Amino acid sequence: ELKVEQNPLFLSMQEGKNYTIYCNYSTTSDRLYWYRQDPGKSLESLFVLLSNGAVKQEGRLMASLDTKARLSTLHITAAVHDLSATYFCAVGRGSNYQLIWGAGTKLIIKP
Amino acid sequence: DTAVSQTPKYLVTQMGNDKSIKCEQNLGHDTMYWYKQDSKKFLKIMFSYNNKELIINETVPNRFSPKSPDKAHLNLHINSLELGDSAVYFCASRQEQGSGYTFGSGTRLTVV
Repeated sequence: ELKVEQNPLFLSMQEGKNYTIYCNYSTTSDRLYWYRQDPGKSLESLFVLLSNGAVKQEGRLMASLDTKARLSTLHITAAVHDLSATYFCAVGRGSNYQLIWGAGTKLIIKP
Repeated sequence: DTAVSQTPKYLVTQMGNDKSIKCEQNLGHDTMYWYKQDSKKFLKIMFSYNNKELIINETVPNRFSPKSPDKAHLNLHINSLELGDSAVYFCASRQEQGSGYTFGSGTRLTVV
């Protein structure tokens, strides 16, 4: 059974600091997704990582995928308050790539 | 121009009632999904349709019945609602294998 674990589940940090969210998954997959969710809102796609060694960056967020270690990271550089949200990783399973989700990381960035 | 739209956005109903949530996507995607997000924000797949054909049916009570009249629509009907059905239900669509999903805004269902 595919399991996806994120850590930490909660992160409070100061603006300007760097931090990393980790996403481990238990069985082979070559599709990993990162999403952002603001309170009471929908899920916004951040990154789709499709191959080993993939690295994608958008603004202060950078995601990477190591399929051999079954690990993806979401790195936040010089955090700003607007990045406060819950971040989810999800792994694609099966030929239909249904998503198996991590529990989410609630990120609070204090001014 | 909303890509994936769900209605209603909020739904408050009594136990035992039957209700439906509608979803429409105008992206031309072939595959649509229903996900449930519980009070702890945990997300879980419920159903998936590809071109009106049911391809994923996870362990969901048979009180939940999806219906896809065409590939742009995937509705969710729930019979005999229970307190534990309270959650946010998200519709999503995807065009091709591996591509990102587009989610609707969610329907917050509260059963009282």
